[in-house]
Amino acid sequence: NAGVTQTPKFQVLKTGQSMTLQCAQDMNHNSMYWYRQDPGMGLRLIYYSASEGTTDKGEVPNGYNVSRLNKREFSLRLESAAPSQTSVYFCASSKKRDSQYSNQPQHFGDGTRLSIL
Amino acid sequence: GESVGLHLPTLSVQEGDNSIINCAYSNSASDYFIWYKQESGKGPQFIIDIRSNMDKRQGQRVTVLLNKTVKHLSLQIAATQPGDSAVYFCAENRGSGGSNYKLTFGKGTLLTVNP
Repeated sequence: NAGVTQTPKFQVLKTGQSMTLQCAQDMNHNSMYWYRQDPGMGLRLIYYSASEGTTDKGEVPNGYNVSRLNKREFSLRLESAAPSQTSVYFCASSKKRDSQYSNQPQHFGDGTRLSIL
Repeated sequence: GESVGLHLPTLSVQEGDNSIINCAYSNSASDYFIWYKQESGKGPQFIIDIRSNMDKRQGQRVTVLLNKTVKHLSLQIAATQPGDSAVYFCAENRGSGGSNYKLTFGKGTLLTVNP
């Protein structure tokens, strides 16, 4: 059971280059998320997709775009990379929390480590 | 330890001891809380969760305690093992209507287990 798979695992870009980070989950989850993790900052939500066909901004969406390709796949695109976007990017997925009485934790991939020079 | 700038709070324990990791949350409207473990080079791994209508929940070797009065969450690990060494994050759900979008994460605590 692969869970959440992210590709690539590592990438180095030059300032101004574009790139798409890929994420796929095999748990039949409705919701998917993109986070970035910087030292001392914890994880911050970039974008999320509550269900197939919808996407919404999180805490730090500037400089990013996303595509929910189908129920399994959710990609993150950097159109013009900047050094401030050097970070570790995590994708996560979860079932939809139908009510306040249900527990539906998010499950994470192992990340893409992105350096922008 | 204290969280200042880039420095994580740290907890160092001896193998076999019990560990307690604390977390303060900010939003009294949060109704769902999760603890994650993150090992070096890996993504956060789900440990245990708790809803706000509960004060305590137990798993295998782990217990989460929730004190809504002071907005405090703790993770207790029994008989801590070297494999428990990792960064531990708490996360709160501030979503409305029961959705679990927009988890907000704390900055994490580094647990080191000495053999």
